[in-house]
Order: sequence, then structure tokens, then C-alpha cells
Amino acid sequence: DTGVSQDPRHKITKRGQNVTFRCDPISEHNRLYWYRQTLGQGPEFLTYFQNEAQLEKSRLLSDRFSAERPKGSFSTLEIQRTEQGDSAMYLCASSFPGRGARNIQYFGAGTRLSVL
Amino acid sequence: AQSVTQPDIHITVSEGASLELRCNYSYGATPYLFWYVQSPGQGLQLLLKYFSGDTLVQGIKGFEAEFKRSQSSFNLRKPSVHWSDAAEYFCAVAALSGNTGKLIFGQGTTLQVKP
Repeated sequence: DTGVSQDPRHKITKRGQNVTFRCDPISEHNRLYWYRQTLGQGPEFLTYFQNEAQLEKSRLLSDRFSAERPKGSFSTLEIQRTEQGDSAMYLCASSFPGRGARNIQYFGAGTRLSVL
Repeated sequence: AQSVTQPDIHITVSEGASLELRCNYSYGATPYLFWYVQSPGQGLQLLLKYFSGDTLVQGIKGFEAEFKRSQSSFNLRKPSVHWSDAAEYFCAVAALSGNTGKLIFGQGTTLQVKP
């Protein structure tokens, strides 16, 4: 068990550029979550996958954001035409399904995005 | 809508002193509650959770939390704080809508430990 891995750890980009982040969950975890954390705030839910199916998206996830989990393993989060307001820490978490909401999420170290 | 409130944004305690971090949630049914800790530049580590049963739950690193339904609270405690406990602490509740288990977090409490 190597934990949830996120890449890159830091990303600096210019406004208007596209960026892509990767998350490798703990093996055999079929649930995967993306959260966004801005400075001084708690993480906010962005989207949820069960296996390869994206089952829920937050209204925070504008049409510039897209997430995939093509084979039910790793996931990518892409932001197109980045804006300064996208600067944040993007956290990925995975879990093995418990009963309904009774699942324990394990978090990666996050990708810190800075948009200049 | 469900929400979590951590009334204390910043707390400073002396090393060896006791600690209590407050958390209040708004939810009708029995909530699934969590406390996570985040060190600078790191992800979140689970300290403890409450699903059901005994309302006093034990976690890692000597932390415990007590679920009080009457007060809608899930406060985190530690009898003797160590300098390594300095970090940011988040209380969270699992949202039941959609049955995804997504977490709703409080704003966080930053703990500073004085030598």
C-alpha cells in the first residue's frame, strides 16, 4: 500500500494555459474523489468516481474543468484556460466502499496550482 | 444544507497542556463524522471517525473525540499536546445526498504549540 499519489506536486502556469493533474489511488480502491482547497479554507468537493463512472460533479466544476478515470484506476483533472481564481491546492482521495457513506477517504499530498 | 462549523480559526496552547478543538455540524440524522489533520504542504491524514456506537472515539496520536447529539458537536481532545501536533485540523461530515460519501469540511483550526 503506497498511498494516494498525485503528480505534479506543484504547478505554475500562466493565465489562459491548460493544465492537467494526475491521481493514482490506492490499489483496489474503487472510489475516487477530487477536492479543491483554497488558502485558509477547508477542502471543497469537486467530483466523484466509482470505478470509471463519474457519478457526481459539484457546481464548482465549471465547464473549463474536466475529470476522467478511463480504466477505473488513475484519474486526471484538466483545467482549460486557467484563471487566477483557479489557484488552489487540488486534493485527490480514494476509498474502498463501505456501507453507503461509511467509507474512509485517504488523501494524497495534493497538487498546488499557481496561476500567474 | 449540511454544514460544519469550526468556531476557532486559530488556537495556541503550551506544550504539555490539554487541547480541545470544537466542531459543530448541522444535520438531522446520525452523521458520519471525521477529524483530519494537515501538516504544511501535505495532504490530510485521518485522526479518527464516528459512524455509530460508543460516542467517545479514540484515534491516532493520542487524540479522542466525543459525539454529542444534543449539542450537534464532535469536539477533538488531547490531554497533553506535543510540539509535533502543530498543524491544521479539519472536522468533516459525510454527505448522505447521492450516497457518494463525499465529505463536507469545516474551515479548519490552526493549532500553534508554544514551547
